[in-house]
Amino acid sequence: DGGITQSPKYLFRKEGQNVTLSCEQNLNHDAMYWYRQDPGQGLRLIYYSQIVNDFQKGDIAEGYSVSREKKESFPLTVTSAQKNPTAFYLCASNRGKANEKLFFGSGTQLSVL
Amino acid sequence: GDSVTQMEGPVTLSEEAFLTINCTYTATGYPSLFWYVQYPGEGLQLLLKATKADDKGSNKGFEATYRKETTSFHLEKGSVQVSDSAVYFCALSDGNYGGSQGNLIFGKGTKLSVKP
Repeated sequence: DGGITQSPKYLFRKEGQNVTLSCEQNLNHDAMYWYRQDPGQGLRLIYYSQIVNDFQKGDIAEGYSVSREKKESFPLTVTSAQKNPTAFYLCASNRGKANEKLFFGSGTQLSVL
Repeated sequence: GDSVTQMEGPVTLSEEAFLTINCTYTATGYPSLFWYVQYPGEGLQLLLKATKADDKGSNKGFEATYRKETTSFHLEKGSVQVSDSAVYFCALSDGNYGGSQGNLIFGKGTKLSVKP
């Protein structure tokens, strides 16, 4: 079945540590996105990528980094510079064209120890 | 800039009650409008979509009509079930958000709880 796979489901970060969230899709989508979800805040865009080897900052990119070396993969690193990383992180993809729906992964809950 | 405003939650209803979740939007162009549903601990799933004025999206008993004159896309269901308990997000796509054609702008979500 085609879809988006996020791993791990739960992740814990120690102070000063970088952690990487995985996102893989087999939908042959060009565009991929990372969102952060906090209670009562809705979804906020962290980074997006329209094509391999290119990505752009979203609304809240500070303290995060991404790479897009393969079409299928768009990992997100939460760096030690992100002072409030506890949140639910969602990866999504689509063909990157206007008015298209987004396909979402099942999310990763990141918590700070 | 473009934005989506949803009614504040949580909304608590009894089984078989009528549901309305209000959504209004601000956009400079002619956006497509979406409703997504999120069950606990999961990602978002598309519930329904409308791409132009007066279109009605429908799925699983839910409906929403794209009203350009009132810039609204309210979600309705005639008889809710316990299994409808989830968070509902209204979203829009105007094809030009921050340089990304494919990105959606989301409302803050409305939590629905349905009691037996």
